[in-house]
Amino acid sequence: NAGVTQTPKFQVLKTGQSMTLQCAQDMNHEYMSWYRQDPGMGLRLIHYSVGAGITDQGEVPNGYNVSRSTTEDFPLRLLSAAPSQTSVYFCASSDTTRLAGGWDTQYFGPGTRLTVL
Amino acid sequence: GQQLNQSPQSMFIQEGEDVSMNCTSSSIFNTWLWYKQDPGEGPVLLIALYKAGELTSNGRLTAQFGITRKDSFLNISASIPSDVGIYFCAGQDLGNTDKLIFGTGTRLQVFP
Repeated sequence: NAGVTQTPKFQVLKTGQSMTLQCAQDMNHEYMSWYRQDPGMGLRLIHYSVGAGITDQGEVPNGYNVSRSTTEDFPLRLLSAAPSQTSVYFCASSDTTRLAGGWDTQYFGPGTRLTVL
Repeated sequence: GQQLNQSPQSMFIQEGEDVSMNCTSSSIFNTWLWYKQDPGEGPVLLIALYKAGELTSNGRLTAQFGITRKDSFLNISASIPSDVGIYFCAGQDLGNTDKLIFGTGTRLQVFP
């Protein structure tokens, strides 16, 4: 198993450019999520999905879109990048949800470091 | 958005010392998690707590779910150089199903 993979590892964009951060997992997990990590802020939830075809907003969704056409993939799209989106982005997956009672199998990817000039 | 208050922000200790860090919240959580993040990596789950008052160990790590359900503590005994990293707490917010709220992190440095 590769676990949770993210591409690219690093990316530099100009203001106004668009791009997609890729996330894939091979563990057949239903739950996937995107976080951003900024200095002194911890991780903040952007969007999440409880299964294919279902997505929902997290704490900081503005400026980001997601879709979940398959169980394996959960791409994050920046339609018009802004300097405020400079951050490290983490994708995570889990095979449990609150209804199932636990989070002890949540796995994080290695992260994508994005700089917007 | 809601964030957890995690303290201390950073710690500089000598190898062999014990470490304590904690997280507090204004809201009640039904789950507390502790993660460790190494440089350039994603967070890795260390300990999960599901019940108020629960005390759980994982090797030299011990974590407790506060009885008020608004706080949690992580202790590391006999620290070693590989304990270096950033430690995050995370709570599951009852008012927002399936969402984790993360603390701001405690950066740990261990000197030989």
